[in-house]
Amino acid sequence: QSALTQPASVSGSPGQSITISCTGTSSDVGSYNLVSWYQQHPGKAPKLMIYEVSKRPSGVSNRFSGSKSGNTASLTISGLQAEDEADYYCCSYAGRGVFGTGTKVTVL
Amino acid sequence: EVQLVESGGGLVQPGGSLRLSCAASGFTFSSYEMNWVRQAPGKGLEWVSYISSSGSTIYYADSVKGRFTISRDNAKNSLYLQMNSLRAEDTAVYYCARLPLPWGQGTLVTVSS
Repeated sequence: QSALTQPASVSGSPGQSITISCTGTSSDVGSYNLVSWYQQHPGKAPKLMIYEVSKRPSGVSNRFSGSKSGNTASLTISGLQAEDEADYYCCSYAGRGVFGTGTKVTVL
Repeated sequence: EVQLVESGGGLVQPGGSLRLSCAASGFTFSSYEMNWVRQAPGKGLEWVSYISSSGSTIYYADSVKGRFTISRDNAKNSLYLQMNSLRAEDTAVYYCARLPLPWGQGTLVTVSS
């Protein structure tokens, strides 16, 4: 099973919105609404930002939102802030799991 | 409080074996599917293995199939990963995870001579 495809890097200025895509197949992303997104700062454990495509855990800013269309899931960060600079990973977790290749978000 | 605590990591020579354990607390362990996830130094997250709540369904990543064995003991609220024929490329922090959340704090496995 191949990793889900994410752009290697995405950048934006403070206050802007950015979107990270996560492309899988009809066997993973396309089949189930079990897609999550993790934020990881250097040297830290991954932090759950979105689960079940678009749900936010308690305590996660509403600047983070998720969606899905067909075999592609997306994470949008609105009102970009310096603290959002990190690596982001998508994950399809219906039984046989698979993670995305990871995206480095840079705040200009 | 829902908690997962891994143990058993360490330094092992290529070709060696190691058994990771994960102690679960704060939730009904026997009701949940569990996973092992790893992250090699400077690399991305990699799903390793899945086990259903009863243990009847198991999946592995191709990279570990035939070398790693996942198991669970619901009476002991514990998850395990038996790792055999270890390679340098298995060096990583290994996380026990009830995807999508919670994850344990991770345990470092280093395969080196």
